[in-house]
Amino acid sequence: RKEVEQDPGPFNVPEGATVAFNCTYSNSASQSFFWYRQDCRKEPKLLMSVYSSGNEDGRFTAQLNRASQYISLLIRDSKLSDSATYLCAVTFGGATNKLIFGTGTLLAVQP
Amino acid sequence: DAGVIQSPRHEVTEMGQEVTLRCKPISGHDYLFWYRQTMMRGLELLIYFNNNVPIDDSGMPEDRFSAKMPNASFSTLKIQPSEPRDSAVYFCASSPAKGAAYNEQFFGPGTRLTVL
Repeated sequence: RKEVEQDPGPFNVPEGATVAFNCTYSNSASQSFFWYRQDCRKEPKLLMSVYSSGNEDGRFTAQLNRASQYISLLIRDSKLSDSATYLCAVTFGGATNKLIFGTGTLLAVQP
Repeated sequence: DAGVIQSPRHEVTEMGQEVTLRCKPISGHDYLFWYRQTMMRGLELLIYFNNNVPIDDSGMPEDRFSAKMPNASFSTLKIQPSEPRDSAVYFCASSPAKGAAYNEQFFGPGTRLTVL
């Protein structure tokens, strides 16, 4: 089993739709969780950290479920500019600086 | 402020040749990471340094790969000899040791390597 798993997609959604991605992780000792965004042929960039209580940043909501070992990202009112690959990242067990990335979920927002 | 700088941005070489990728982290960052990204395997951590010292090289695929960080502002990843299966995008990233951005890794633009 991979340490971090994501549905590769693609998720094709119309503008204005709500879309959700999940990411599961295998190491119960992992402490920190993140969502990165990667545009085509560009580097990954941090979208948001994921906190235990859940957190929101505008149209984006991230949640953590430690019991089931998954994190989620919800995007409301999708924009064309949201089209990208979304990578989840999880610290490797107790190592606070080593991140393990999922393979990413491709989102394509259609006009 | 300048972000992470990588060079070259593109490299095309022939099998068996030596390839050297370069990275300049963000000034003041204590951690430096080398990743490789392919369609099949995604983004894989190869090695990371803390204060110029290699901490974890368990992701380095084999002895053909080596990485150095002679000072806080420069790191290299070398492949010798290169093979076609090394074709990938290689990213360098850096992060601070503490503060609000702790654990946020800032990525460079990557080096797209093609080994023929």
